[in-house]
Amino acid sequence: DAKTTQPPSMDCAEGRAANLPCNHSTISGNEYVYWYRQIHSQGPQYIIHGLKNNETNEMASLIITEDRKSSTLILPHATLRDTAVYYCIVRAHLVQGGSEKLVFGKGTKLTVNP
Amino acid sequence: DGGITQSPKYLFRKEGQNVTLSCEQNLNHDAMYWYRQDPGQGLRLIYYSQIVNDFQKGDIAEGYSVSREKKESFPLTVTSAQKNPTAFYLCASRYSPGQQTNYGYTFGSGTRLTVV
Repeated sequence: DAKTTQPPSMDCAEGRAANLPCNHSTISGNEYVYWYRQIHSQGPQYIIHGLKNNETNEMASLIITEDRKSSTLILPHATLRDTAVYYCIVRAHLVQGGSEKLVFGKGTKLTVNP
Repeated sequence: DGGITQSPKYLFRKEGQNVTLSCEQNLNHDAMYWYRQDPGQGLRLIYYSQIVNDFQKGDIAEGYSVSREKKESFPLTVTSAQKNPTAFYLCASRYSPGQQTNYGYTFGSGTRLTVV
């Protein structure tokens, strides 16, 4: 089962910020928060990841609460092309050999409206 | 440009036939994965391989088989034993720990399999 909880759907107006929440109350100290998105009938695309500090890249910002039990992905100026399903995932970075399974939940379907 | 190539994009299979989905990567990634996605659902792991000549079953391996004879290739065979094979299949790869600081997964564009 996925270790994260996300709202099934959200709407956002074009040009406005889209704030996508994710709860991960059972996250372990060595687990990172990853965000991917999947545009219809394509493979998921990596967006951003973080451990405990807020992160920003050219695509988005990631805000992680101090207790690390939740996070928010921020798309600062949403465009119509940002319409997609957004997945929040927690996983550990393995320091040596060992198996790993990336567990995807159902994600949040973000619809950006003109 | 480096990436993952899945082929074909669309595949039709008659009941009782085995079919093989191709996944090739030129990213020098050690680990490769196969996922299945049904409409409105998340991804479910079928098989994964951490290194050449080694692979492990995921959560829904029944009716599927894989091989990992080369680092670049991880083909998935959907056998006649898979009762409900119609789905969207995604291949992914990633660096092994120590290879890179970015531990993100790279996904292919998927193969949509339909049983007719």
